[in-house]
Amino acid sequence: GENVEQHPSTLSVQEGDSAVIKCTYSDSASNYFPWYKQELGKRPQLIIDIRSNVGEKKDQRIAVTLNKTAKHFSLHITETQPEDSAVYFCAARSTSGTYKYIFGTGTRLKVLA
Amino acid sequence: GAVVSQHPSWVICKSGTSVKIECRSLDFQATTMFWYRQFPKQSLMLMATSNEGSKATYEQGVEKDKFLINHASLTLSTLTVTSAHPEDSSFYICSAALAGGLGEQYFGPGTRLTVT
Repeated sequence: GENVEQHPSTLSVQEGDSAVIKCTYSDSASNYFPWYKQELGKRPQLIIDIRSNVGEKKDQRIAVTLNKTAKHFSLHITETQPEDSAVYFCAARSTSGTYKYIFGTGTRLKVLA
Repeated sequence: GAVVSQHPSWVICKSGTSVKIECRSLDFQATTMFWYRQFPKQSLMLMATSNEGSKATYEQGVEKDKFLINHASLTLSTLTVTSAHPEDSSFYICSAALAGGLGEQYFGPGTRLTVT
């Protein structure tokens, strides 16, 4: 079935360093890949997304890269700040009838001041 | 724009009772809504997809008779947990999407259900 693997499950970085989270998807027909940040008890918030016709997208300190051949996509956060601490989820949109999102297992990011 | 609300934000109920959770798209018409369940420190698990005016599509392993979904209008979907048990305690999140699900999903704030 459709699956998204996400690594690492936890990540600690020093403030100002970069953080990279990687995801691999199984459905080669997936064409939309959003990234969400979720704080404890809150709703997931879309932070960046990428479509399959683009290899890279950047928004200030956040960037996402997509390698369709390898079915990999990654989130890059530069100059991390304590407020970046949260759980991050990647997702791949299914191309089956319901267009559902398949979520990764999540990465708990801790930015140490 | 693109605001989704959920009600209630939290609810405590006794084992064996039923609980209804509402998901509303406040400023757009959502042809498709999704219901997720999230256990502590885990990912979002899709329970079902509902399209306005038609029956919901449930994911494998989700009991449709236990988790009743109704999407009667383009701005409202409801999830009813019937005969709730302690193991149903979880964070339930809905999302709403435009264009039959092809558009971006906008998430509600979630409902924390505790069954005692």
